[in-house]
Amino acid sequence: AQSVAQPEDQVNVAEGNPLTVKCTYSVSGNPYLFWYVQYPNRGLQFLLKYITGDNLVKGSYGFEAEFNKSQTSFHLKKPSALVSDSALYFCAVRVLPTGTASKLTFGTGTRLQVTL
Amino acid sequence: SQTIHQWPATLVQPVGSPLSLECTVEGTSNPNLYWYRQAAGRGLQLLFYSVGIGQISSEVPQNLSASRPQDRQFILSSKKLLLSDSGFYLCAWEGEETQYFGPGTRLLVL
Repeated sequence: AQSVAQPEDQVNVAEGNPLTVKCTYSVSGNPYLFWYVQYPNRGLQFLLKYITGDNLVKGSYGFEAEFNKSQTSFHLKKPSALVSDSALYFCAVRVLPTGTASKLTFGTGTRLQVTL
Repeated sequence: SQTIHQWPATLVQPVGSPLSLECTVEGTSNPNLYWYRQAAGRGLQLLFYSVGIGQISSEVPQNLSASRPQDRQFILSSKKLLLSDSGFYLCAWEGEETQYFGPGTRLLVL
């Protein structure tokens, strides 16, 4: 069975400092990995994905993520955090497709708090 | 470009009342569509998905049902709401191997 773990319930970082939000996964076969961000009372916004190719994936709002197959990790990073980055972040793995639909398994989310 | 709508944005319903939540997608044809529920502001649970009109797959047996009467319309329903149905309901469509989410409907069952 596929699963995703986000070991940190909350990450605190000062504005201007680099940030990392951790994600590890367990899948059968090659993983499709995703990061989403959720602001209060809003839907999830897609940030970036890894399907194949370069291990370093660049996404929206200056975020990037590094796929590490040996460590089964897909950590989200940003070189310089902004207060406006404060939100709930979800890592997800795509389950092998059933028919023509795919299903995402989500982590429990990590709350990022960026302070001045 | 593609747009996904959900309504209503918020809903307060008494226990035992019926429910109908609607999701529509613009700018794409025959998308895969998904309904999720988010409880307590955290974990997302896949409820239903659909690969075409009239084709519904259920992930979790429960008090809810889904229908897809048109290509870009996905409806979540219940005949009698339970307190445990409260939550944030998210619809998503799939394009280029990525799911894109709507703004959500917050349901409070009292």
